Amino acid sequence: GAVVSQHPSWVICKSGTSVKIECRSLDFQATTMFWYRQFPKQSLMLMATSNEGSKATYEQGVEKDKFLINHASLTLSTLTVTSAHPEDSSFYICSASPATSARYIQYFGAGTRLSVL
Amino acid sequence: KQEVTQIPAALSVPEGENLVLNCSFTDSAIYNLQWFRQDPGKGLTSLLLIQSSQREQTSGRLNASLDKSSGRSTLYIAASQPGDSATYLCAVRPVENNAGNMLTFGGGTRLMVKP
Repeated sequence: GAVVSQHPSWVICKSGTSVKIECRSLDFQATTMFWYRQFPKQSLMLMATSNEGSKATYEQGVEKDKFLINHASLTLSTLTVTSAHPEDSSFYICSASPATSARYIQYFGAGTRLSVL
Repeated sequence: KQEVTQIPAALSVPEGENLVLNCSFTDSAIYNLQWFRQDPGKGLTSLLLIQSSQREQTSGRLNASLDKSSGRSTLYIAASQPGDSATYLCAVRPVENNAGNMLTFGGGTRLMVKP
């Protein structure tokens, strides 16, 4: 149990286009989902925390107008990278926490590799 | 602000060796500490989670210890195998209620076990 699916696993796009990444909790309801960014050979940096039905909380230095997060249901959160540029190329990972007593656990998706040409 | 440091950043060992990965954190007010494994280009797999009240956790060939007062944790891997090659990340969860479920990650240790 506790599977988090992330789609797509890899996306290549042209500079200036927008890309949407989906994060789904397949067998549990997630009140909170997290979005991380990881550059090569570096650790995960938290970008934002999204709670179902409310606005996401962004970490300092993360542009909320560039990285749009929508957490419209208890099983789906999306991250849209708007007007992507080559410097946005990175590995994006989501995680989800159950709406249960196990809420202090995060289950991670497999990640999405974004390459902006 | 919590800072998590992992030493060494990279490690290469021959198969069969026992090894220790280190993690240190600056703020001892943690709820728990978690060790993850990440294979290249993949997501994270949780290995062990130690609550702040615990001293160690074991799973198979893995043993994680926690010394909260000194801000340290170690991950011990016994009889290493080539399949253990991956990046190992430690992360701490704060105790403050308003910080919720946030994790602060260390920079990771890239492990290579040579046959």
